[in-house]
Amino acid sequence: NAGVTQTPKFQVLKTGQSMTLQCAQDMNHNSMYWYRQDPGMGLRLIYYSASEGTTDKGEVPNGYNVSRLNKREFSLRLESAAPSQTSVYFCASSEISSGPDTDTQYFGPGTRLTVL
Amino acid sequence: QKEVEQNSGPLSVPEGAIASLNCTYSDRGSQSFFWYRQYSGKSPELIMFIYSNGDKEDGRFTAQLNKASQYVSLLIRDSQPSDSATYLCAVVGNQFYFGTGTSLTVIP
Repeated sequence: NAGVTQTPKFQVLKTGQSMTLQCAQDMNHNSMYWYRQDPGMGLRLIYYSASEGTTDKGEVPNGYNVSRLNKREFSLRLESAAPSQTSVYFCASSEISSGPDTDTQYFGPGTRLTVL
Repeated sequence: QKEVEQNSGPLSVPEGAIASLNCTYSDRGSQSFFWYRQYSGKSPELIMFIYSNGDKEDGRFTAQLNKASQYVSLLIRDSQPSDSATYLCAVVGNQFYFGTGTSLTVIP
């Protein structure tokens, strides 16, 4: 049982390049989330998926797109990377199906992204 | 005003002492409150959650919730150097909001 996995662990991009961050969970959770964490800013929600086939914007969605590929996988895409998107990105999952709600979130190991 | 406020610290306590971490939140309708621990370079991991007013104890950790004052705290008894980390408060209102975290150092 791997929990929540993320790939890649590290990535360096040039401004304007695109990339997709992958996330998968094997806990049969309904809800999945993407956060970014910046020094002094804490964890900020980018997008979430309450259940397979649904996605919703979080606090900071601009510049990102997501795809809930199936119940296990939730990807985050940067279409045209900007230096302001340099951050650590965490994927998380939780059991219940009604969105960010009263349930524990389990986090992946994170992706450290640098945009030059 | 931020949804969740924490003192960023750093907070330093000697080994064996009680560490007290505090968090306030703005949404009176918030129902669930979580404390996560995050070691440097690692992902957040759940310590405990609390839903009802009062205290909830789990080993050396006690969470305290006062909804009237919109205040939640975490006490760590008999602090150990391994407790040195950043502690994140999270509050569930219409979304899951995290505070910026309090850095704790336990000095041997």
